[in-house]
Amino acid sequence: EIVLTQSPGTLSLSPGERATLSCRASQSVSSSYLAWFQQKPGQAPRLLIFGTSSRATGIPDRFSGSGSGTDFTLTISRLEPEDFAVYYCQQYGSSPLYTFGQGTKLEIK
Amino acid sequence: EVQLVESGGGLVKPGGSLRLSCAASGFTFSRPWMSWVRQAPGKGLEWVGRIKSKTDGGTTDYAAPVKGRFTISRDDSKNTLYLQMNSLKTEDTAVYYCTTEMAGFGWTEGMDVWGQGTTVTVSS
Repeated sequence: EIVLTQSPGTLSLSPGERATLSCRASQSVSSSYLAWFQQKPGQAPRLLIFGTSSRATGIPDRFSGSGSGTDFTLTISRLEPEDFAVYYCQQYGSSPLYTFGQGTKLEIK
Repeated sequence: EVQLVESGGGLVKPGGSLRLSCAASGFTFSRPWMSWVRQAPGKGLEWVGRIKSKTDGGTTDYAAPVKGRFTISRDDSKNTLYLQMNSLKTEDTAVYYCTTEMAGFGWTEGMDVWGQGTTVTVSS
């Protein structure tokens, strides 16, 4: 069973800073099947990135994804106030069919 | 406007049943694969199950904790996705989201449209 481990658990940064969020898989994940989501309190998740590095429709270019194999990264180049939220990585294809990481909370410092 | 609206949540006793619905609008419902994802109070996201488009076979897959108890179906004529939940347990308590995924053999564009969620509480 594949496990996705996100780090750090909480990231405290200020607006304008750069955020780097990590997602490590217990076994190799196809780069076609790694996605990132943002979730704000009381809201549904929002797809940010699919296929490791492709931005979903309407997602600003300050969000970027990279990685391969077992190590993947979501980078937010310059944090805006609305970016403070919880971020989840997700893989598709291995057992279980879809797996989410436990989440990284990005909070205002 | 592309939209998914879940309904059918509520309070149910352990061992009971509930059927959730997800009404879709603003897109061709028959095309995407559809999933249910849940989130227990204060916890992260957990995939529940998926149904492929009829074009891709209409097959279903489930997460281990719900396999044999939950059933996903879709009625493309009604633009509606369903989740039949039987033998409910307290650990099934969560917000249940439906979501779309444009995908096919060897490719996916991710779970890009989500409903607002419906709350299921399993308690005696």
